[in-house]
Amino acid sequence: GAVVSQHPSWVICKSGTSVKIECRSLDFQATTMFWYRQFPKQSLMLMATSNEGSKATYEQGVEKDKFLINHASLTLSTLTVTSAHPEDSSFYICSARDPGGSGNTIYFGEGSWLTVV
Amino acid sequence: DQQVKQNSPSLSVQEGRISILNCDYTNSMFDYFLWYKKYPAEGPTFLISISSIKDKNEDGRFTVFLNKSAKHLSLHIVPSQPGDSAVYFCAAGSTGANSKLTFGKGITLSVRP
Repeated sequence: GAVVSQHPSWVICKSGTSVKIECRSLDFQATTMFWYRQFPKQSLMLMATSNEGSKATYEQGVEKDKFLINHASLTLSTLTVTSAHPEDSSFYICSARDPGGSGNTIYFGEGSWLTVV
Repeated sequence: DQQVKQNSPSLSVQEGRISILNCDYTNSMFDYFLWYKKYPAEGPTFLISISSIKDKNEDGRFTVFLNKSAKHLSLHIVPSQPGDSAVYFCAAGSTGANSKLTFGKGITLSVRP
């Protein structure tokens, strides 16, 4: 079964509104979660690293005021796309590192399709 | 600068045969590598990983080989099955607190019945 759950799977919002995507680790506590975006026929691109209890670390070129990340607990990180525009329409995926075992296995959520109309 | 490269965008294989998916990287700091399978409209599913201290890791039909000197890894699927048809991403990372991954662009594998 899924060890990282992402919600919602599909969301359509109007241009100018905000939308929140949740990422939960189900079987482990994740001090660090990651948010990726994937445009069609392109690779997964890391947007930011979400650290529990501290500010997220954003990759170059990602607007931190537009993509708000909150890591409220060891099992939940949220991504809020603020004032969304059609160009923000994409597939957003979160991941979390399982500290157990080798500590290097990273599991992904199911992904969230965002369509801004 | 693309640090993880999957140069072949697609691969077609007959059912029962071996599928070999290749991946090259440039960053010598990478010390662990993962392969993910992805179906359309779904998140990536973890397949298999390998640490830089090993040169081979096997899990059922999936085997990953790592050649550190060549900065090359490959995923072997044998025997290939139609259900293996998907996009396969290789990813690389550096062990540490953040463990963020860098992905290749993916290879679309089609297994013909």
